[in-house]
Amino acid sequence: GEDVEQSLFLSVREGDSSVINCTYTDSSSTYLYWYKQEPGAGLQLLTYIFSNMDMKQDQRLTVLLNKKDKHLSLRIADTQTGDSAIYFCAERVFNYGQNFVFGPGTRLSVLP
Amino acid sequence: EAGVTQFPSHSVIEKGQTVTLRCDPISGHDNLYWYRRVMGKEIKFLLHFVKESKQDESGMPNNRFLAERTGGTYSTLKVQPAELEDSGVYFCASSQGGRGNEQFFGPGTRLTVL
Repeated sequence: GEDVEQSLFLSVREGDSSVINCTYTDSSSTYLYWYKQEPGAGLQLLTYIFSNMDMKQDQRLTVLLNKKDKHLSLRIADTQTGDSAIYFCAERVFNYGQNFVFGPGTRLSVLP
Repeated sequence: EAGVTQFPSHSVIEKGQTVTLRCDPISGHDNLYWYRRVMGKEIKFLLHFVKESKQDESGMPNNRFLAERTGGTYSTLKVQPAELEDSGVYFCASSQGGRGNEQFFGPGTRLTVL
């Protein structure tokens, strides 16, 4: 079956860049997502990338995809205290059910 | 526009009791999904409704879990009888039709079984 892995914790200083990594098991056709969960809130879609792309940039967020190594990363530039949250990597496999496979989440702590 | 809502936000019950979780999707979204995150682990898919029909229930852990979506609007997820290992956060998501559509998640219901 599909599996998505992430490191569980990351601490950075305010103003530094954060890089959150994720590995996944490949499928023939898939989207890969980054979701953010703040305390007490639901999952907020940050960005996504289709598997035929290798990079996507959106303001402070940069997603890099290495399909050969099955590695996805999310870089947050100029990390702020409001970026403190849990970040989930997710893979959508194009099966009939349209369901997502999530990683365990990386808890990002931003220190002043 | 209101997002996906879930009720209750927290539920604490004893082992053997019954709990019913409710999800109200975004109006007009035919697709409704249930997920859960147990003990800080990964978020696992439970099932997917298209309107009132169960499209995929391959993630349902056992027959103590029953999901319904009568009328194709809100959905309920009943756990009967609840066990300790059912504790976790249950998320609901909804989306419009088509494979590429974003799933919008609710805030989740935190279930604690004592």
